[in-house]
Amino acid sequence: DTAVSQTPKYLVTQMGNDKSIKCEQNLGHDTMYWYKQDSKKFLKIMFSYNNKELIINETVPNRFSPKSPDKAHLNLHINSLELGDSAVYFCASSLFFTTAGELFFGEGSRLTVL
Amino acid sequence: RKEVEQDPGPFNVPEGATVAFNCTYSNSASQSFFWYRQDCRKEPKLLMSVYSSGNEDGRFTAQLNRASQYISLLIRDSKLSDSATYLCVVNGRDAGNMLTFGGGTRLMVKP
Repeated sequence: DTAVSQTPKYLVTQMGNDKSIKCEQNLGHDTMYWYKQDSKKFLKIMFSYNNKELIINETVPNRFSPKSPDKAHLNLHINSLELGDSAVYFCASSLFFTTAGELFFGEGSRLTVL
Repeated sequence: RKEVEQDPGPFNVPEGATVAFNCTYSNSASQSFFWYRQDCRKEPKLLMSVYSSGNEDGRFTAQLNRASQYISLLIRDSKLSDSATYLCVVNGRDAGNMLTFGGGTRLMVKP
C-alpha cells in the first residue's frame, strides 16, 4: 500500500494551460504539504495544511491554489502555467504539524511546461 | 547566506571507503536536524535524525556541532547502494519554522 500517492506522475503541457495534481495519504496523518523541487534540486515548501486548514502559504503566485477536501487529501491546482513552473512537485505528510517530525513524501509529479 | 548550505559534490568514492559530508545552518535557534536520502528521480526519505549527543545507525554516524552551526554525516564501508543525494534538513526561520532543506550532496560509490 502506497502511503502517500500523487497523480499524475508526469505532466507535459503548454504555457497558459491549467493543470491539477492530486495527493492522498493513508497514514492517518493530520498535516499535508506541497513542496517544489526545481532543476537545482532545492526543495522548497509551498503550502501546508493541518486538518484541512491552511497553515503555511509561502511566497507562491496566486496561480497556485491548494485544496484540501479532507485531511487525507491535498490537491494542487495551477492556473496559467508558465515555463518557470516546470519542476517536480512533491506532496508530503506528517503525523501532526511539527518542526520535529518525519515527513513522508509521495513519488513526485514531474511537470514540464512547453 | 542560505538557511542550509551543503557542498553539492559529487563525491566520488570507491566501495569500502569512508566519506563525510558537512552541512551548515544559519539559524542559531534551530532545534531539529535530520539527514534525508534522495535517490535519482525518487522522493526524499528520512535517513536519520541528528541528536545533540551524536547518533549512529549501522554504518552511518550523524553529529551536531551547535557552536559552529553544522551537522555532519559519516558513512563507513561505503556500498554501491549508498549512491544517492543526501539532504540536510533543519527547522529554520522560513515558513513558520518549518523544515528547510539543503540543496543536497551527491555521493557516487564506484566499484
